[in-house]
Amino acid sequence: KNEVEQSPQNLTAQEGEFITINCSYSVGISALHWLQQHPGGGIVSLFMLSSGKKKHGRLIATINIQEKHSSLHITASHPRDSAVYICAPLSGSARQLTFGSGTQLTVLP
Amino acid sequence: KAGVTQTPRYLIKTRGQQVTLSCSPISGHRSVSWYQQTPGQGLQFLFEYFSETQRNKGNFPGRFSGRQFSNSRSEMNVSTLELGDSALYLCASSLNGGPDTQYFGPGTRLTVL
Repeated sequence: KNEVEQSPQNLTAQEGEFITINCSYSVGISALHWLQQHPGGGIVSLFMLSSGKKKHGRLIATINIQEKHSSLHITASHPRDSAVYICAPLSGSARQLTFGSGTQLTVLP
Repeated sequence: KAGVTQTPRYLIKTRGQQVTLSCSPISGHRSVSWYQQTPGQGLQFLFEYFSETQRNKGNFPGRFSGRQFSNSRSEMNVSTLELGDSALYLCASSLNGGPDTQYFGPGTRLTVL
């Protein structure tokens, strides 16, 4: 069983829709990153969470450490949001990132 | 501030050769981490360097090695290349590692023939 499970693997939405990507992990962690990867490979760190909720523009990330679950929400989605979104928990003891397999998001105009 | 830079961006090698990739972190960042990304395995952690010392290591064979210089620039080396080493190699820098936000470079795409 993978340590990090993301769902869905693929998601197609219409512009303006509300989007949710989920991440569950089995290891104890101290923090969790949400990353965005555009075609061509460039990766941007969107959020680092250790508890609660963070908001940046149209993006919202939540984490429940006890439930071992995090979600990334995109409000009013736009075609430029099309990318792969990857959750990456930071293991508490090893202090290294493990990665989900990613969610390929396509937002259609 | 300039972002994380990686050189070269693309590289083609043959089996058995060795390769050295370079990463220049954001000025002031002391931690540099390396990752391998393949279609089959996704992103995997290779190692992290902090203040010229390897602080963490992922589950990769000894053919994969790295180092960090006093200016925080880092190199990774892969010896005796195998076909399966074909991948996008990414480095990321952060102030002190751990939960600090990581800033990723554009990656080096290595193809082993």
